[in-house]
Amino acid sequence: NSKVIQTPRYLVKGQGQKAKMRCIPEKGHPVVFWYQQNKNNEFKFLINFQNQEVLQQIDMTEKRFSAECPSNSPCSLEIQSSEAGDSALYLCASSLWTGGSQNTLYFGAGTRLSVL
Amino acid sequence: GQQVQQSPASLVLQEGENAELQCNFSTSLNSMQWFYQRPGGSLVSLFYNPSGTKHSGRLTSTTVIKERRSSLHISSSQTTDSGTYLCAWSNYNVLYFGSGTKLTVEP
Repeated sequence: NSKVIQTPRYLVKGQGQKAKMRCIPEKGHPVVFWYQQNKNNEFKFLINFQNQEVLQQIDMTEKRFSAECPSNSPCSLEIQSSEAGDSALYLCASSLWTGGSQNTLYFGAGTRLSVL
Repeated sequence: GQQVQQSPASLVLQEGENAELQCNFSTSLNSMQWFYQRPGGSLVSLFYNPSGTKHSGRLTSTTVIKERRSSLHISSSQTTDSGTYLCAWSNYNVLYFGSGTKLTVEP
């Protein structure tokens, strides 16, 4: 069973407000991912980290999101100015992957964001 | 365009029936994983199966890389199997998900 912990489970924000969610990866997993799942079940990769460094991120994340994975603290994903289209389930996952073929991801339960 | 396609989109079974879920991908990707998503949202990894056949209880996953497809077989379905089944292919370190198969198993 996954031990990735995400908080809060639910988040309600008004348009233009900041929305921040946190993730504690499985112990010993150096790689952390954030995905967005919309109401149509479509997943969008947002950003991933290896330890504290960003590996990859999409353009939207770079412009509108703030994400970090500090050592000895939870990882976080923050939308600077929430939009209605940001309403989605935000899933955090962690992995042991550091370049080899094994890439099993373990997901948290997600933070469901509603932007009113 | 959509790189990962799953079929069927939804499936309704009577308890005890078998299910075959399909996943096809359009580009060369180097590994794949099947997930089960509970109605509440959390994802559970079922198989990491980049090639060949793997078994876990009533579940069997078969991946044929050169044909760019993978299948998930559920035998003797139970009501607790209800939920969404997602396949995901990865290109190095990013997973590309299909839109899922919503399975409903009725008693």
